Amino acid sequence: AQSVTQPDIHITVSEGASLELRCNYSYGATPYLFWYVQSPGQGLQLLLKYFSGDTLVQGIKGFEAEFKRSQSSFNLRKPSVHWSDAAEYFCAVGLAGDKLTFGGGTRVLVKP
Amino acid sequence: EAGVAQSPRYKIIEKRQSVAFWCNPISGHATLYWYQQILGQGPKLLIQFQNNGVVDDSQLPKDRFSAERLKGVDSTLKIQPAKLEDSAVYLCASSGPSNTEAFFGQGTRLTVV
Repeated sequence: AQSVTQPDIHITVSEGASLELRCNYSYGATPYLFWYVQSPGQGLQLLLKYFSGDTLVQGIKGFEAEFKRSQSSFNLRKPSVHWSDAAEYFCAVGLAGDKLTFGGGTRVLVKP
Repeated sequence: EAGVAQSPRYKIIEKRQSVAFWCNPISGHATLYWYQQILGQGPKLLIQFQNNGVVDDSQLPKDRFSAERLKGVDSTLKIQPAKLEDSAVYLCASSGPSNTEAFFGQGTRLTVV
């Protein structure tokens, strides 16, 4: 069965510091991998996605993620966090045209 | 390009009442999904449509939840009767011909009291 684990429920980071959010997945094959962000009261916005090719993926808002097949991981990073990055972040996996399986999310708090 | 539209944004009902949510996907998107997001959790798929046919409804509590997409465009999700544990955000998403990305609406926040 597919599963996605985001080990960190909450992360607090100072503005300007770097951020890394962890994601591990279990899937029968190599799925498509996604990171979404959700601000309070809002829907999910896609930050980036990985299908194949270069394992370092660039996304919107200065985010990037690295796919590591050997570790079944797809960690999200940002070199310098802005106060507006405070939100909940979800890792998700799935196949083309199929449902997404989401992790439990990581809430990011940004200290001034 | 207009995004996925959902209504209402918020709904408060008493337990055992019924409620319906509406979703209009992005024009031309054949695949439509309904997800349930309970507070503090990631979204979980309730049902997936391809045009007006059901692809996956294995996680839909069919004794109280129903969904339809009669003309293969917009969709409604109904709960009857509602329980306290149905309090959640209901997210609608759609994907297009390439099926490589799902676009989400803003969701409907349901509170059952």
